[in-house]
Amino acid sequence: GQNIDQPTEMTATEGAIVQINCTYQTSGFNGLFWYQQHAGEAPTFLSYNVLDGLEEKGRFSSFLSRSKGYSYLLLKELQMKDSASYLCAVRGFGGSGTYKYIFGTGTRLKVLA
Amino acid sequence: DTEVTQTPKHLVMGMTNKKSLKCEQHMGHRAMYWYKQKAKKPPELMFVYSYEKLSINESVPSRFSPECPNSSLLNLHLHALQPEDSALYLCASSQDIAPLGRDEQFFGPGTRLTVL
Repeated sequence: GQNIDQPTEMTATEGAIVQINCTYQTSGFNGLFWYQQHAGEAPTFLSYNVLDGLEEKGRFSSFLSRSKGYSYLLLKELQMKDSASYLCAVRGFGGSGTYKYIFGTGTRLKVLA
Repeated sequence: DTEVTQTPKHLVMGMTNKKSLKCEQHMGHRAMYWYKQKAKKPPELMFVYSYEKLSINESVPSRFSPECPNSSLLNLHLHALQPEDSALYLCASSQDIAPLGRDEQFFGPGTRLTVL
């Protein structure tokens, strides 16, 4: 089966650091993506990992361990505008040489002043 | 232009109506997707088109009928929907469904559908 798990909700304070974890079990693996989604809006791409290790991009970093089926998104210097849902998505086999994106349950992050 | 557009933004329909959702992208992407998203839930994949052909149907009821008239357009035809079909319908595109690199999905703003 295919399963991607994330914590449902997290709360953090402005200026702090927060780590959002994602564990996955999928059929095939061709990359892991993190998306940000504000309420009522479309998801927007944040980061991509396909090899083990850390990818850094400004205030956001993402880590991947393929052997453990584990990733995290690290957000530094939190701002109020970072209050959103964060979606972990794995690109896995879709059958017949195709791939599809499977989304995790999503983590709603609230940033408090 | 890295935009995916969707129309309409909002749609209210009765259970006997027929309506269509439209999606357009001009990034030259050859893979296009329909997702359904309920409140506080992640997007659920419905259909995937690759080079204008239906590639994946995630066992979606036949009251939802996708169509890809050309490489830039994706439609979702709706007929005899149920109230539980009320949701945000998201369209997305990517370069290919057999990607060689990052090839992230670009999402449209969605159509918020209410079925009465």
